[in-house]
Amino acid sequence: EDKVVQSPLSLVVHEGDTVTLNCSYEVTNFRSLLWYKQEKKAPTFLFMLTSSGIEKKSGRLSSILDKKELFSILNITATQTGDSAIYLCAVLGADGLTFGKGTHLIIQP
Amino acid sequence: EAGVAQSPRYKIIEKRQSVAFWCNPISGHATLYWYQQILGQGPKLLIQFQNNGVVDDSQLPKDRFSAERLKGVDSTLKIQPAKLEDSAVYLCASSGITGLSSSTDTQYFGPGTRLTVL
Repeated sequence: EDKVVQSPLSLVVHEGDTVTLNCSYEVTNFRSLLWYKQEKKAPTFLFMLTSSGIEKKSGRLSSILDKKELFSILNITATQTGDSAIYLCAVLGADGLTFGKGTHLIIQP
Repeated sequence: EAGVAQSPRYKIIEKRQSVAFWCNPISGHATLYWYQQILGQGPKLLIQFQNNGVVDDSQLPKDRFSAERLKGVDSTLKIQPAKLEDSAVYLCASSGITGLSSSTDTQYFGPGTRLTVL
């Protein structure tokens, strides 16, 4: 059975701080890892990672995948209150998409 | 804790055929969501139920898609007739007892049903 574990489950930081969110996985026939930001209803797609060691960046967000150690991290620098959300990690494998439980990030002014 | 269950996991049909997907949410979760996920894009919300009532179906293509949650527990999503562009992963998610439509209640996702329309 495919498994995705995210940590921490919740995190409270101050505006301007840098945060690192973790996602580890055990998946049969790994194809890709995806990060989403969920604020209200439908999660917003952030990144899709398929290759190890290649960092993807979008503004203050970046993510990297380690296929040897089976994990990914999502970094957010210079956090803003608008970054407050649940961040979901999902992995596409033989069983389809498996989601982690998410990290609930709260940015305090 | 048992997660969100979906079936089937995979389905291949020809265009103009019909297909139905089933979802059983986490026990006690009042809110149930159906999403259409094309990989590389964010999931698109098709319909949201609160118990057995529809909260939001603004993005559901009602000429061909229908969904129901008659007893407020499990739900079915139907496509009739299917088109090539319906090929996607159909995700079901549920969220907890508050179920406020504007909340950030954590949504728990099922494994999805991968639909291929030929």
